[in-house]
Amino acid sequence: DAGVIQSPRHEVTEMGQEVTLRCKPISGHNSLFWYRQTMMRGLELLIYFNNNVPIDDSGMPEDRFSAKMPNASFSTLKIQPSEPRDSAVYFCASRFGQGGNQPQHFGDGTRLSIL
Amino acid sequence: AQSVTQPDIHITVSEGASLELRCNYSYGATPYLFWYVQSPGQGLQLLLKYFSGDTLVQGIKGFEAEFKRSQSSFNLRKPSVHWSDAAEYFCAVGVMGRRALTFGSGTRLQVQP
Repeated sequence: DAGVIQSPRHEVTEMGQEVTLRCKPISGHNSLFWYRQTMMRGLELLIYFNNNVPIDDSGMPEDRFSAKMPNASFSTLKIQPSEPRDSAVYFCASRFGQGGNQPQHFGDGTRLSIL
Repeated sequence: AQSVTQPDIHITVSEGASLELRCNYSYGATPYLFWYVQSPGQGLQLLLKYFSGDTLVQGIKGFEAEFKRSQSSFNLRKPSVHWSDAAEYFCAVGVMGRRALTFGSGTRLQVQP
């Protein structure tokens, strides 16, 4: 079975450019999460969708970050304009159901480097 | 709000030795508890989970964890560590309602030959 699929795996771009990260959740999962992982701050929850609706976006760092989930099988995380401090590994995870008793399944991440 | 503490940032053990990684949680009711492992360059993989019932749960790769309500702990154990177990390990807690899991800061495991 296919797991959570993220693309691209790696992205290197110059500051000021727009960056779009993509995620395809596991089929049948109706909750989706975006995380950012850095050495300094560890794993941070950015935003959480349930049934394509954003439930909690309190972790989105600032207005330069936006996330969408136009349908149950696709989500994007966009950074515009990008800055060097956005360099991190970004993970997408999905979950069946909406309760905390269900495990989250993670993709392999997108390693983002902003020069 | 719930929280998770992994007191050990970094642990080194010899191959074949036993392992215990500590996890403490804070939550007013019985939480749902998880352990994940992250190998370099990869995402987090679920090792095991606890919801209710038997407080000793078995997971993949020979890992087990024990829920101790009196100590608010959910420590991960393995009787004999293999070099391939070198990775970062995350404890997480889930609660009722539409919430994401709360993750600890992780413990990095090194395995010496």
